[in-house]
Amino acid sequence: DAGVTQSPTHLIKTRGQHVTLRCSPISGHKSVSWYQQVLGQGPQFIFQYYEKEERGRGNFPDRFSARQFPNYSSELNVNALLLGDSALYLCASSLLAGKTGELFFGEGSRLTVL
Amino acid sequence: KNEVEQSPQNLTAQEGEFITINCSYSVGISALHWLQQHPGGGIVSLFMLSSGKKKHGRLIATINIQEKHSSLHITASHPRDSAVYICAVRNSGGGADGLTFGKGTHLIIQP
Repeated sequence: DAGVTQSPTHLIKTRGQHVTLRCSPISGHKSVSWYQQVLGQGPQFIFQYYEKEERGRGNFPDRFSARQFPNYSSELNVNALLLGDSALYLCASSLLAGKTGELFFGEGSRLTVL
Repeated sequence: KNEVEQSPQNLTAQEGEFITINCSYSVGISALHWLQQHPGGGIVSLFMLSSGKKKHGRLIATINIQEKHSSLHITASHPRDSAVYICAVRNSGGGADGLTFGKGTHLIIQP
């Protein structure tokens, strides 16, 4: 069975541009969450989606948005990119949205903003 | 806001040594995760704990809910254990249903 897959794995953008990152959860998993990891720091929670609805949002500006599709895959969109958005963006899936669900992480999308 | 503190930040040990990584948090949680991150970036979930102790191979994780503290132990450490180990907690209260992460412990096991 395929694990959590993310695309693209690496990308370079310039300030002001827009980026879309994609995540496919493990088959059967209905919850997807997104995390940003800046170099040298632990990941920070951005969004969680379950059954196509936003279930939680971390402390990120409105430039960050996401959605979940009927097949439970998800997109993370970031508008008006800043240098500080350079980071590894991680997606994790779980079977349920509950507070005790085990998480499975993808390999991440590494974004560099120049 | 739940703060998650890990210690040590960096740890270098010789192959075969017993390793302990500590994690402390400040508010009530419903679960605590120990995660392993290799240089490529991908994260692997090692344990999810809400009480007591779990063991998987050479890895042991314990949690003390009253003291708001967890430890990850590695017995008979091996160079392939070299990685960043991250503690993450899920709050028991309301709010965003995401995890709060520590900054990680960078472990190097030398042959």
